[in-house]
Amino acid sequence: GAGVSQSPSNKVTEKGKDVELRCDPISGHTALYWYRQSLGQGLEFLIYFQGNSAPDKSGLPSDRFSAERTGGSVSTLTIQRTQQEDSAVYLCASSPTAANTEAFFGQGTRLTVV
Amino acid sequence: GENVEQHPSTLSVQEGDSAVIKCTYSDSASNYFPWYKQELGKRPQLIIDIRSNVGEKKDQRIAVTLNKTAKHFSLHITETQPEDSAVYFCAASDTLRAGGYQKVTFGTGTKLQVIP
Repeated sequence: GAGVSQSPSNKVTEKGKDVELRCDPISGHTALYWYRQSLGQGLEFLIYFQGNSAPDKSGLPSDRFSAERTGGSVSTLTIQRTQQEDSAVYLCASSPTAANTEAFFGQGTRLTVV
Repeated sequence: GENVEQHPSTLSVQEGDSAVIKCTYSDSASNYFPWYKQELGKRPQLIIDIRSNVGEKKDQRIAVTLNKTAKHFSLHITETQPEDSAVYFCAASDTLRAGGYQKVTFGTGTKLQVIP
């Protein structure tokens, strides 16, 4: 079956514009994560969705960042009034309901703010 | 919540030598510890994992060890090859919640360079 799909794969935007990044998790996976990875850096946790529970937003760096997950499936990460420091690869991952299982990553969206 | 620390951040070894990456975690209830490998320009992928009822696990040239008392776990790569060059992430899965939900917390990554 299909893996985690992210779109677009690349996005170039002007400073101050809003952007939306999309993640299609593996069907049936209830857990969904967003991470940010700057060039050569580690995984910075942004937000975590699990089933119908309230999302864990503790990693969102500012109120310009928000995310939603409709119908427990597709998720959208929105960045408002983009800044140059937002330039990074945004990775989405999903995992099944069962505990102690592998997280599957999408290919990422490379965001460049000019 | 869980906090995972990973060391070193960069590691260079000669081809054929061993490489060791170490991680510590804070939540004593964590019970699942996966390791991911991210090659340049690619997505992270699981290479090996260990669960809290096992102290060591080996898969060919890769082995993981777990010390629950000390709350640390390590990745060992023997007979390193150039294709082992990548960024490696450790992770810990926190307390099993109602409904079997888990949250995975990642370490900050180790960039391994194997020099031919």
